[in-house]
Amino acid sequence: DQQVKQNSPSLSVQEGRISILNCDYTNSMFDYFLWYKKYPAEGPTFLISISSIKDKNEDGRFTVFLNKSAKHLSLHIVPSQPGDSAVYFCAARWTGANSKLTFGKGITLSVRP
Amino acid sequence: EAQVTQNPRYLITVTGKKLTVTCSQNMNHEYMSWYRQDPGLGLRQIYYSMNVEVTDKGDVPEGYKVSRKEKRNFPLILESPSPNQTSLYFCASSLSWNQPQHFGDGTRLSIL
Repeated sequence: DQQVKQNSPSLSVQEGRISILNCDYTNSMFDYFLWYKKYPAEGPTFLISISSIKDKNEDGRFTVFLNKSAKHLSLHIVPSQPGDSAVYFCAARWTGANSKLTFGKGITLSVRP
Repeated sequence: EAQVTQNPRYLITVTGKKLTVTCSQNMNHEYMSWYRQDPGLGLRQIYYSMNVEVTDKGDVPEGYKVSRKEKRNFPLILESPSPNQTSLYFCASSLSWNQPQHFGDGTRLSIL
């Protein structure tokens, strides 16, 4: 049973445009969400996070939006750059002690020059 | 440089031959974890450790063992590897369980 779903396996956008990466979750206990970015032959690197007490968190070109009622979050990258081409993983956990991260399958983003 | 180091990066071996993948971090992190990444399945946690001598099972612990005798090291042991353990493995660490994790660059294991 997949609790964190990234239903689109890939996304292709033009350089300079907006990239929107979506993530849905089923476990209503989740209250903290993270996005990781992964380049080939490297490990995932932390990108941005959001707590369920917020509905938006911004860091430079990256913004994460959280819609708790819909159990949906999205990562916006504006403007997209070729260096953003990577696999993006959505992850979630709840604030109980020892709570572990549950990851989605990942979305491959390609930014065309 | 702050990092999580895994060795080996690549390994091809045969069924039943015990192997160990080492993981070391130089950030004095308390929390360490092992994941495997398989096509179509994303990252799944194998084992984690909240601190020295404290380890616990993740989502897919079968066929694996871990130990945490020192804070910096968290080796993953496959006592009797089988082909279904062919995968890409990542070690990760963080200051505590609720902080974003730093990942190593991965170990690709092929069990024939």
